[in-house]
Amino acid sequence: GAGVSQTPSNKVTEKGKYVELRCDPISGHTALYWYRQSLGQGPEFLIYFQGTGAADDSGLPNDRFFAVRPEGSVSTLKIQRTERGDSAVYLCASSQGTSMEQFFGPGTRLTVL
Amino acid sequence: DQQVKQNSPSLSVQEGRISILNCDYTNSMFDYFLWYKKYPAEGPTFLISISSIKDKNEDGRFTVFLNKSAKHLSLHIVPSQPGDSAVYFCAASGSGAGSYQLTFGKGTKLSVIP
Repeated sequence: GAGVSQTPSNKVTEKGKYVELRCDPISGHTALYWYRQSLGQGPEFLIYFQGTGAADDSGLPNDRFFAVRPEGSVSTLKIQRTERGDSAVYLCASSQGTSMEQFFGPGTRLTVL
Repeated sequence: DQQVKQNSPSLSVQEGRISILNCDYTNSMFDYFLWYKKYPAEGPTFLISISSIKDKNEDGRFTVFLNKSAKHLSLHIVPSQPGDSAVYFCAASGSGAGSYQLTFGKGTKLSVIP
């Protein structure tokens, strides 16, 4: 595809459930990032992949959050035992190598009831 | 502790006039700055960037100015057009470890009035 795609666009779940959010980066981009944007805030860094490995996961808020990128392309952000405070828009971005310019997908709006 | 601050939550400008969006930062390790534009229900779109070795970067109607001593940057849009109405985010990254992380401000909502 031409840009970063994310699925689903919206996800409503109940407190305590498990969710998976998917990101498909721009073809050929080796770097992939996850950010979280809460209402009225700017995006906040969660995790960064260079290839298949998580080079920096320091932004993940706790051990309920985990992300994988097994083949160095598509990534999945996994959230266990969701809490109402997890409600936010989860943004994925990709970039070419170590380029500073990150290209964002449309985001997944997660609502935890 | 907000390391990137956009103190104006909103700004209204008449079509054809100049829009000036401001951004301040506190972390002296930041050395690369970006502006993103965001429409509702879409992800942020990269607009323009500037490295700390420069004080100005221009791209069409968009110019970014950087004042390192004041830790301040601004985005100028001239002339402003109704299609420029969006939320603008200032973002910064540093050198060395963690340089790929973008730290964002809270955004400024620009409304260009026809």
